Amino acid sequence: AQSVTQLDSHVSVSEGTPVLLRCNYSSSYSPSLFWYVQHPNKGLQLLLKYTSAATLVKGINGFEAEFKKSETSFHLTKPSAHMSDAAEYFCVVSLAYNQGGNLIFGQGTELSVKP
Amino acid sequence: DGGITQSPKYLFRKEGQNVTLSCEQNLNHDAMYWYRQDPGQGLRLIYYSQIVNDFQKGDIAEGYSVSREKKESFPLTVTSAQKNPTAFYLCASSLSAGGGIQYFGAGTRLSVL
Repeated sequence: AQSVTQLDSHVSVSEGTPVLLRCNYSSSYSPSLFWYVQHPNKGLQLLLKYTSAATLVKGINGFEAEFKKSETSFHLTKPSAHMSDAAEYFCVVSLAYNQGGNLIFGQGTELSVKP
Repeated sequence: DGGITQSPKYLFRKEGQNVTLSCEQNLNHDAMYWYRQDPGQGLRLIYYSQIVNDFQKGDIAEGYSVSREKKESFPLTVTSAQKNPTAFYLCASSLSAGGGIQYFGAGTRLSVL
């Protein structure tokens, strides 16, 4: 069965310092993995997607994530946080096509950025 | 301007009342989804539709109903049987049901009076 675990419910960083949001997944096959961002009272916006091509995936707004099969991890990073990065971030794994191609969401990590 | 439109942005339900949340997309996507989001939790799937005139229950379908009469529309009805309807509801669509990227609307916040 597929599942996803976000290891931190809340991360706080100072503006200009690196961001690390951790995600582990479980999948019985080679999964598609995503990171989405949600600003307060808004819908979700796709940051980046991994689909078995390059293991280092670059996304929007300077974010990137590295797929590590041996560690079953897909951590999200950014070299330098900006105030506008404060939001909730969701790590997501995709179910197989015969399961409706649905997404399994992690519980979310709230990122706070201090001036 | 392509995208997914959810309306209304805020909705209030009285005891024993059914309410319907609208979701329209002009992306020509085959698949559409409804999620419920509660504070501090991830999204949980209510219903999804892979094609017109077909839909499937998700993980928490009890107390909800949907229809998919047109490709671009996937309304969700929260029935009186749903005893705890207060939540943020998100609609999404994808090109197909094959596990690809899902695009989300801005959400509807439902509260009980």
